[in-house]
Amino acid sequence: KAGVTQTPRYLIKTRGQQVTLSCSPISGHRSVSWYQQTPGQGLQFLFEYFSETQRNKGNFPGRFSGRQFSNSRSEMNVSTLELGDSALYLCASSLGRGGIGDTQYFGPGTRLTVL
Amino acid sequence: DQQVKQNSPSLSVQEGRISILNCDYTNSMFDYFLWYKKYPAEGPTFLISISSIKDKNEDGRFTVFLNKSAKHLSLHIVPSQPGDSAVYFCAASGEGNKLVFGAGTILRVKS
Repeated sequence: KAGVTQTPRYLIKTRGQQVTLSCSPISGHRSVSWYQQTPGQGLQFLFEYFSETQRNKGNFPGRFSGRQFSNSRSEMNVSTLELGDSALYLCASSLGRGGIGDTQYFGPGTRLTVL
Repeated sequence: DQQVKQNSPSLSVQEGRISILNCDYTNSMFDYFLWYKKYPAEGPTFLISISSIKDKNEDGRFTVFLNKSAKHLSLHIVPSQPGDSAVYFCAASGEGNKLVFGAGTILRVKS
């Protein structure tokens, strides 16, 4: 079974621009979660989508948004990029039952650099 | 507010010996705990998990122990191999699918 895929793997943008990242979950998985990893803050939860609806949200500003399509693929958008948005963005998929046993499997990540 | 803590930034172990990585948590609502292994610029790889109704789970060389009263879990790797060298993250979930991660422990296995 193919794993979680993310595109693009690397991205360079300038301040003020916007960016869209894409994630394809493991076949049969209906939940997609997004995380940001930075040296200072570690791995932090952004949001989770299940059945095309945002089910959980972390403590990030409204510039960070996402959506999920009917085939469970998900996109994450960051508008008005800031230097501090430079990070590794990780997507994880799970069956979506929630709670005990709903293991999340991660993709390789997208490395975003904001200049 | 760090709800999941990995107090050892790094650990160095000789090949063939046991590696013990520790993790503490503060939120009593957490009911599912996971360990992930990560290389730089790659996504975390799932290793092993444990639910709050168990105190031990084994998978090959990996064993996770959970002490609910102490809010403490540990990952044992026996025997340690050079290929185990990576960053290990402890993660916990309670409500929904939000994972809360520790800061990670760098494991170096020396041959």
